[in-house]
Amino acid sequence: GAGVSQTPSNKVTEKGKYVELRCDPISGHTALYWYRQSLGQGPEFLIYFQGTGAADDSGLPNDRFFAVRPEGSVSTLKIQRTERGDSAVYLCASSLTGTPSQETQYFGPGTRLLVL
Amino acid sequence: GQNIDQPTEMTATEGAIVQINCTYQTSGFNGLFWYQQHAGEAPTFLSYNVLDGLEEKGRFSSFLSRSKGYSYLLLKELQMKDSASYLCAVRRGYSGAGSYQLTFGKGTKLSVIP
Repeated sequence: GAGVSQTPSNKVTEKGKYVELRCDPISGHTALYWYRQSLGQGPEFLIYFQGTGAADDSGLPNDRFFAVRPEGSVSTLKIQRTERGDSAVYLCASSLTGTPSQETQYFGPGTRLLVL
Repeated sequence: GQNIDQPTEMTATEGAIVQINCTYQTSGFNGLFWYQQHAGEAPTFLSYNVLDGLEEKGRFSSFLSRSKGYSYLLLKELQMKDSASYLCAVRRGYSGAGSYQLTFGKGTKLSVIP
């Protein structure tokens, strides 16, 4: 594909519900990153995948958040028992080889999550 | 902690030049990125500096001074479409978490007026 794609573009849910956010990275990119961007803030790191494995999930705020990448391409960020404070734009990024110290991350358009 | 500071908002006139500053205090440094983000859209990569000096790319240039913990993005011949937020981000390390986690500033919202 031409770039990182994310679905849905917008998600409105009620407090306590479960949501899944999907990211499709640039074809051939082995490294995938999730960030969260609150209004008026810069993106904050959540989790990094190298291939199928989560190499670092230290940015996930709590155990309600989980992400998978079972085949090393598409990734899904899962949020259980959503809270109003989870409302934000969830950004996905990918980079080419997984030598991240030398690479640029390319971002998708994000999923705007609103928890009512 | 990690601290990256940028002005919150700036306004400039179409056709003019604007400089957006970024100062950083981070535990480690392995490169500074500038991204452009239009409202409701993805951050788009603009430039990358890892060594001191100026990197020029068309109308956009980026400067880095590692000893001062300082960078700026220079936009020339401003166009209305340059109205966007500009994000400064630091990569802190060569290995481990610091090598792939980008630490972002809050962004500078630039408004270009006629």
